[in-house]
Amino acid sequence: RKEVEQDPGPFNVPEGATVAFNCTYSNSASQSFFWYRQDCRKEPKLLMSVYSSGNEDGRFTAQLNRASQYISLLIRDSKLSDSATYLCVGAGSYQLTFGKGTKLSVIP
Amino acid sequence: DAGITQSPRHKVTETGTPVTLRCHQTENHRYMYWYRQDPGHGLRLIHYSYGVKDTDKGEVSDGYSVSRSKTEDFLLTLESATSSQTSVYFCAISRTKEANSPLHFGNGTRLTVT
Repeated sequence: RKEVEQDPGPFNVPEGATVAFNCTYSNSASQSFFWYRQDCRKEPKLLMSVYSSGNEDGRFTAQLNRASQYISLLIRDSKLSDSATYLCVGAGSYQLTFGKGTKLSVIP
Repeated sequence: DAGITQSPRHKVTETGTPVTLRCHQTENHRYMYWYRQDPGHGLRLIHYSYGVKDTDKGEVSDGYSVSRSKTEDFLLTLESATSSQTSVYFCAISRTKEANSPLHFGNGTRLTVT
């Protein structure tokens, strides 16, 4: 079983919609989690870290549920510029494990 | 943006030829990584380095070697390129061990092996 799994999508949502991505992880020893954003033919860029208490950055909210071993990303008031692939990442010791990504398309 | 430069940005090479990709950073970060990204697989770790002359294998290291003779440079070599190594290669750096700090990626090298 892949250590980090996420729905590949695509998620096609209208502008202004709220969209949520979930990601499950199998390694209970994972210490840290992140969400990265990757635009087409570009490098991944850190969107936000995920803390146990949950964290919010503007329209983005990330949450971690260690008991159920999943993390989530909520995007409110979607913008066209949010269209990208979102990568869920779990960190153990030296290794980061990347999910395959969830593609989001925000439609006018 | 973190100061990470990958070269070349694009390369087409023939099967059986050696290829070296370069990653150069100006952040003085200790940790450097090489990943490859392929459709259906996501990002997979090839090799990483935790200091000058200190390197280790990642998940998909077969057919690849690395060298780090200076803090700022991390080289990835395909000793004898194969078509299965056609991919997008990303270098990444981090200030501390991955569990404590996120990665910053270079803008990638698109390698095609014909």
